[in-house]
Amino acid sequence: KQEVTQIPAALSVPEGENLVLNCSFTDSAIYNLQWFRQDPGKGLTSLLLIQSSQREQTSGRLNASLDKSSGRSTLYIAASQPGDSATYLCAVGFSNAGGTSYGKLTFGQGTILTVHP
Amino acid sequence: DAGITQSPRHKVTETGTPVTLRCHQTENHRYMYWYRQDPGHGLRLIHYSYGVKDTDKGEVSDGYSVSRSKTEDFLLTLESATSSQTSVYFCAISRGLLTDTQYFGPGTRLTVL
Repeated sequence: KQEVTQIPAALSVPEGENLVLNCSFTDSAIYNLQWFRQDPGKGLTSLLLIQSSQREQTSGRLNASLDKSSGRSTLYIAASQPGDSATYLCAVGFSNAGGTSYGKLTFGQGTILTVHP
Repeated sequence: DAGITQSPRHKVTETGTPVTLRCHQTENHRYMYWYRQDPGHGLRLIHYSYGVKDTDKGEVSDGYSVSRSKTEDFLLTLESATSSQTSVYFCAISRGLLTDTQYFGPGTRLTVL
């Protein structure tokens, strides 16, 4: 079974700290990996998408890396702010044998991040 | 924000009653998805659609059916709701390209008593 695991489940840091969220997946046959943010009571917002041929993507203070061979991705947040407090979800698009994935995603359970002033 | 709406946003119903949730998009995206989100399980795919009248099962499809008669609408039906189907349901859309993310609706909170 294709699974996605996120560690830690929760993280609390002081404002200004740099932090790393981890995501691991069980199958290296992927077509992309995505990081989402979810605020309480809201839907998901896409942060970064890394294609299987890429090693990393950057957007502002966020940097996501991908290592397919080890089945790992990290989301690095620089100079954290209280507004970064949210749940961060990793989602993997696994390739299937027929090569048609229909864009389906398998999600990790998320990391709840709290940045305190 | 992507043009995705879900209705109703909140619903309380009783065990054994049928329930239909609606997802509507204005983006003309080909792919649509229904997920449920539960504590300890993250988001799990229920059903998805890759075109009008083209649907398939996801990871947790038992007890659910879907229909897509128009590009813009994707309906999720609980034929006979059970308490285990109490959850938050999210609809998502995508063009399905390798470079494409999924855009999520605001969610429907369903409580089955």
